[in-house]
Amino acid sequence: NAGVTQTPKFRILKIGQSMTLQCTQDMNHNYMYWYRQDPGMGLKLIYYSVGAGITDKGEVPNGYNVSRSTTEDFPLRLELAAPSQTSVYFCASGSRDRVNEQYFGPGTRLTVT
Amino acid sequence: GEDVEQSLFLSVREGDSSVINCTYTDSSSTYLYWYKQEPGAGLQLLTYIFSNMDMKQDQRLTVLLNKKDKHLSLRIADTQTGDSAIYFCAERTAGNKLTFGGGTRVLVKP
Repeated sequence: NAGVTQTPKFRILKIGQSMTLQCTQDMNHNYMYWYRQDPGMGLKLIYYSVGAGITDKGEVPNGYNVSRSTTEDFPLRLELAAPSQTSVYFCASGSRDRVNEQYFGPGTRLTVT
Repeated sequence: GEDVEQSLFLSVREGDSSVINCTYTDSSSTYLYWYKQEPGAGLQLLTYIFSNMDMKQDQRLTVLLNKKDKHLSLRIADTQTGDSAIYFCAERTAGNKLTFGGGTRVLVKP
């Protein structure tokens, strides 16, 4: 299986544009997460989901939206992009049975200019 | 509150031991984790420790936990050039969420 996949790998947005970061996992995991990593910093949780149809805010949700219509997919939507959203975005997933393991995707590097 | 802190940088010679330190503030943390991030990649779970344990060893890795001082460390024995990476500690908080430290960049010199 492919694990956690993210698209695109890189993206440059102009201020005010919108985009969706895609995340898919093929491990049938219940939990999915979106993090952002700013340069030289740790990861900050944006949104998470404990199952299809259920989402909740993390530490830094402002400016983002998510949906979880299927177990596999957890897209992150940016509306009205701002320079402060320049970051690397990581999606992760985890199983309810093995709560100590979060599997991370390779990341999407987003620049807003 | 939730806050996890790590030193920024560690330089070590190949073959020596590395020790990466981390402090956390949430005394209710049940599990603490060490992740490794190589350039351009996502995070990879290295090991974790349950809060009622003092030590966990896994091949070259030794995790020490001092719950009283809220201090976690990761020792890498016989450090290799492939160990050069950023290492993050994290604590599990309510709702099965992880709070990460800022990461320690480890540079292994030959």
